[in-house]
Amino acid sequence: KNEVEQSPQNLTAQEGEFITINCSYSVGISALHWLQQHPGGGIVSLFMLSSGKKKHGRLIATINIQEKHSSLHITASHPRDSAVYICAVKASGSRLTFGEGTQLTVNP
Amino acid sequence: DAGVTQSPTHLIKTRGQHVTLRCSPISGHKSVSWYQQVLGQGPQFIFQYYEKEERGRGNFPDRFSARQFPNYSSELNVNALLLGDSALYLCASTPQGGLSVEQYFGPGTRLTVT
Repeated sequence: KNEVEQSPQNLTAQEGEFITINCSYSVGISALHWLQQHPGGGIVSLFMLSSGKKKHGRLIATINIQEKHSSLHITASHPRDSAVYICAVKASGSRLTFGEGTQLTVNP
Repeated sequence: DAGVTQSPTHLIKTRGQHVTLRCSPISGHKSVSWYQQVLGQGPQFIFQYYEKEERGRGNFPDRFSARQFPNYSSELNVNALLLGDSALYLCASTPQGGLSVEQYFGPGTRLTVT
């Protein structure tokens, strides 16, 4: 079992829909990152969380440390949101452990 | 300000060859981390360097090595390339050594081993 599990693996939505991507992890962590990766490979850091909730524009990230679970929400989704969304955690030492990513496709 | 830059963007090598990938962090950032992302999978941690010293190493063979220069740029070297080394190699920088800070990723170098 991977230390970081994401669901779903693939998600197709219609423009305007509310989207949720989930991330569960099995180790104690000091921080959790949500990243966005577009075709071609470039990765953008969306959020870094250690507790509670953060919001940036149409993106909302929440984390429940006790349940070892985080969610990324996208409100009023748009085709330009189509990308791979990756959850990554810092447990100990100096490394990030990544989930396998969720491929999101938003159709017009 | 320029973000994290990596070179080259694409590279094709044959089995057994050696490759050097380069990364320049954001100005003022002293820590560089390297990740390997095989197609369809999440990135895997290879190395972290901070102030020119190795701070962490992932589960990769000794064919993989890296170093950080006085200007905080970094090189990742891979010897005796295997087909399985084909991947996107990502570099990320942070201002300091800990990873509980935002990581800024470069565009990656796509390595194909034939």
